Amino acid sequence: QEKVQQSPESLIVPEGAMVSLNCSFSDSASQSIWWYQQHPGKGPKALISIFSNGNKKEGRLTVYLNRASLHVSLHIKDSQPSDSAVYLCAVGITGNTGKLIFGLGTTLQVQP
Amino acid sequence: EAAVTQSPRSKVAVTGGKVTLSCHQTNNHDYMYWYRQDTGHGLRLIHYSYVADSTEKGDIPDGYKASRPSQENFSLILELASLSQTAVYFCASSEDKSQNTLYFGAGTRLSVL
Repeated sequence: QEKVQQSPESLIVPEGAMVSLNCSFSDSASQSIWWYQQHPGKGPKALISIFSNGNKKEGRLTVYLNRASLHVSLHIKDSQPSDSAVYLCAVGITGNTGKLIFGLGTTLQVQP
Repeated sequence: EAAVTQSPRSKVAVTGGKVTLSCHQTNNHDYMYWYRQDTGHGLRLIHYSYVADSTEKGDIPDGYKASRPSQENFSLILELASLSQTAVYFCASSEDKSQNTLYFGAGTRLSVL
């Protein structure tokens, strides 16, 4: 069974800081890596995904994937108080189910 | 944006009672999923479906049944609710298996007493 581990568990940063979130996974053949954002009392919302080694940038978000080291990171530039949420790393399972395996998440608090 | 609606938003049930959680999507998506979220375990897949009238077991199906009577509707059924099933339940849909973009509902908070 694929395992997904995230670090740190929680993070407090001042507004405008660069935020770096880490995720490690156990299966190098995993199809896709996703980052979801979850605000309190809400369902998770997909932020960004990456399939191939390298990096991908969308707005203030950049994700880096290294399949050899089984590691992916999410970087949030110029963080805002509205970015305060739980960030979930999810790994797509090879096969035909569309299933995702989620990590426990990193709780981010951006202080004004 | 894709819309997934869950009902009820919260529920209190008694141990041994029957509970039905409902999910409705208006996205015309083929795939639907039920996850539960617990502190210390994260999101775990209970059941999923890729076509009406068919359901598949996820990673933690014991104690749960699922029903997909139409493309739009997907229910999770707890025939004999237990204390260990207290959790937040999320329904999600996706267009197909390859993209893995899940659109989640707002969740149902279930307390079994």
